[in-house]
Amino acid sequence: GENVEQHPSTLSVQEGDSAVIKCTYSDSASNYFPWYKQELGKRPQLIIDIRSNVGEKKDQRIAVTLNKTAKHFSLHITETQPEDSAVYFCAASSLGGGGNKLTFGTGTQLKVEL
Amino acid sequence: DAGVIQSPRHEVTEMGQEVTLRCKPISGHDYLFWYRQTMMRGLELLIYFNNNVPIDDSGMPEDRFSAKMPNASFSTLKIQPSEPRDSAVYFCASRKTGSTGELFFGEGSRLTVL
Repeated sequence: GENVEQHPSTLSVQEGDSAVIKCTYSDSASNYFPWYKQELGKRPQLIIDIRSNVGEKKDQRIAVTLNKTAKHFSLHITETQPEDSAVYFCAASSLGGGGNKLTFGTGTQLKVEL
Repeated sequence: DAGVIQSPRHEVTEMGQEVTLRCKPISGHDYLFWYRQTMMRGLELLIYFNNNVPIDDSGMPEDRFSAKMPNASFSTLKIQPSEPRDSAVYFCASRKTGSTGELFFGEGSRLTVL
């Protein structure tokens, strides 16, 4: 089955700096790569996703890049703000073709310091 | 829509007792997933259903765990007998075929087994 590894496990940045979280996956059939944000005591919520037919996607201060050859994808947050502090999870799945399981990475605790 | 609804939000029980967690997916969603979240193991998929039918239960840790989905609007996850190592937050999530792939999570059920 799919295995998703995520690094780093914790990340501390100064407000205004950029943050980068990296993930690798093992199943070459995976074609859908979402990122979820989980605030303390809350549910995980989707913040951005990318499919394997594109290499990059942006939404305001967040962007995700995908390298299918190397089987890795990354989340980039620019101009970080205190409200960005949360745990971020990457995930991988093969939507369609019978694959619907979303396998999550182990999470990155992001702390944005003032 | 009220979103995915889980109950109870918190459950404290003693080892050996039966625990039943409940989930109501978003109306019209045909996929339902049960995840377990712990600090050590992150978000683990336990089982998922499509159109009320269990598709993959390979993540269910052992025979003490069982899940049912008697209809499109209700699912249960049962642990019998419960053990302290079952303490975790259990999330239910749902999504719709043909959608973007986004999983909608419930608020979670925090289980503590003493």
